Amino acid sequence: EPEVTQTPSHQVTQMGQEVILRCVPISNHLYFYWYRQILGQKVEFLVSFYNNEISEKSEIFDDQFSVERPDGSNFTLKIRSTKLEDSAMYFCAVRREREAKTQYFGPGTRLLVL
Amino acid sequence: RKEVEQDPGPFNVPEGATVAFNCTYSNSASQSFFWYRQDCRKEPKLLMSVYSSGNEDGRFTAQLNRASQYISLLIRDSKLSDSATYLCAVNLETGFQKLVFGTGTRLLVSP
Repeated sequence: EPEVTQTPSHQVTQMGQEVILRCVPISNHLYFYWYRQILGQKVEFLVSFYNNEISEKSEIFDDQFSVERPDGSNFTLKIRSTKLEDSAMYFCAVRREREAKTQYFGPGTRLLVL
Repeated sequence: RKEVEQDPGPFNVPEGATVAFNCTYSNSASQSFFWYRQDCRKEPKLLMSVYSSGNEDGRFTAQLNRASQYISLLIRDSKLSDSATYLCAVNLETGFQKLVFGTGTRLLVSP
């Protein structure tokens, strides 16, 4: 039983376009994360989100990125003006509670920017 | 020095072999350690957390050496289905616990 699902599974977009990636937690989770993995490279942290606000973000997470959880369920990552180098797998991860240290990853969205 | 380092491999082993991977981390304040398994173009899936005393789950054994700042994963009696990339992940206890990953070690188990 997956902890989290993601939509879409694949997204192809033109450079400069906006994309929104969605993460839908299955259970009650408190902590949300976005990671990305460029093909052939390691998984990299982008941002963490708790109590409806960003708690930590990496250098990668610049002004073109934003996150929100508008309806208390879906957790979204928006890339305002995509660049070629944004092509990657984007994984949402969730954690249930402060004491639980384990993060569970969603199946990912494969983003291709042309 | 990289935050988390792993030998990328690949490690080619026959079925039934025992194989071990190491992962070193640079931040001595790191508190939680994990091994994830990643199949090609799929998400990381938690294999096991790594505890200070070491822990075992079936054919898999994980060890932590804080003094030398490394963790290890031992796989006994390798199966074809163990072929995957094994990711080491580390986080600090403080903050919101972002995971820092190594590049992964690729394992290929052959018949």
